[in-house]
Amino acid sequence: EADIYQTPRYLVIGTGKKITLECSQTMGHDKMYWYQQDPGMELHLIHYSYGVNSTEKGDLSSESTVSRIRTEHFPLTLESARPSHTSQYLCASSSGLVGDGYTFGSGTRLTVV
Amino acid sequence: DAKTTQPPSMDCAEGRAANLPCNHSTISGNEYVYWYRQIHSQGPQYIIHGLKNNETNEMASLIITEDRKSSTLILPHATLRDTAVYYCIVRVEDAGNMLTFGGGTRLMVKP
Repeated sequence: EADIYQTPRYLVIGTGKKITLECSQTMGHDKMYWYQQDPGMELHLIHYSYGVNSTEKGDLSSESTVSRIRTEHFPLTLESARPSHTSQYLCASSSGLVGDGYTFGSGTRLTVV
Repeated sequence: DAKTTQPPSMDCAEGRAANLPCNHSTISGNEYVYWYRQIHSQGPQYIIHGLKNNETNEMASLIITEDRKSSTLILPHATLRDTAVYYCIVRVEDAGNMLTFGGGTRLMVKP
């Protein structure tokens, strides 16, 4: 079944650690996105990609980085985690076709202590 | 993309229709109206979208006014599992295909 997967679902990590949040989709979508959402707050776009080797920053400034080496894979990395990075990170993909919606993963809830 | 206005919260009795309004008075002719919902911090889920005509699928109906300045999402028989934040989004398809989320409407379905 075509879907989008995020791992880990929950992560508690110490300050200064490097972390990578994984996002993979099996739908062959060219476009992928990362959103950040604090509890009870709005979703904000932090990164997006239109295809392999394409990455752009979103509306909300983020210290994270992303890569897109394969169509199905769009990982997000924090080189040195800080408590201010504590949030939920949601990955999404879309075909880019007119009228098509986004498919979201279940998210990674990150806590930096 | 056009800005949308939604009430911050609404209640609905279980089994009754939930009618969620959205105002998008500055919508342009090539902007679609999309609805998503987010259940308790899960990833948002696509519900329905439309351009001019009313639309219906297995989840909901979308009613768009003739002037396209507002729309209503209708959940015909709300259940407790429909409790969620509902987002109304309008966007131009050629604007990089990015979704911008606002505050949405927090729908509480009560027994």
